[in-house]
Amino acid sequence: NAGVTQTPKFQVLKTGQSMTLQCAQDMNHEYMSWYRQDPGMGLRLIHYSVGAGITDQGEVPNGYNVSRSTTEDFPLRLLSAAPSQTSVYFCASRPRGGQGYEQYFGPGTRLTVT
Amino acid sequence: AQRVTQPEKLLSVFKGAPVELKCNYSYSGSPELFWYVQYSRQRLQLLLRHISRESIKGFTADLNKGETSFHLKKPFAQEEDSAMYYCAPLWGGGGNKLTFGTGTQLKVEL
Repeated sequence: NAGVTQTPKFQVLKTGQSMTLQCAQDMNHEYMSWYRQDPGMGLRLIHYSVGAGITDQGEVPNGYNVSRSTTEDFPLRLLSAAPSQTSVYFCASRPRGGQGYEQYFGPGTRLTVT
Repeated sequence: AQRVTQPEKLLSVFKGAPVELKCNYSYSGSPELFWYVQYSRQRLQLLLRHISRESIKGFTADLNKGETSFHLKKPFAQEEDSAMYYCAPLWGGGGNKLTFGTGTQLKVEL
């Protein structure tokens, strides 16, 4: 299994540009999430999904959109990039059921907005 | 409101010294609690979970409901323990949101 994969690994955008960060998992996990990691702020939850067709907002959803058309994929869209969105983005997945289940993380995408 | 606090941004200890990484939470219920670790240039990964009462790589964590704390401890630090550690509560009501503290960077010096 490849686990959780993310593309691209690095990206530089100009203010106002849009882009989609890709996330895929091959473990048939129902739950998927997007986090951003900023120095001194830890990981903050952007959006999450409990299954195909179901998404919900996390702590910092503004400026981001998500959709979940399949169990495997959970893309994150930046509608109009801003310098404040410069961050490292992590996608994660875990199985449904039982609150003790481990969450698996992707390798991250480092995004710089100039 | 639900909140998790890791008061130390950086903790520096000598090899062989005891380690305690603090985690406090505020929540009216009883969350499930985890510690995640991120080694240099590696993915974030689970270190241990409260529900399993486990010891991983010599680390243990005890849930103190009275103090609402879940501190991570290790009696003798090793150089390979140097990493970023995150306390992560899974709040109730369906348990869909795994949130993270701000993290503590542990540096073990020789």
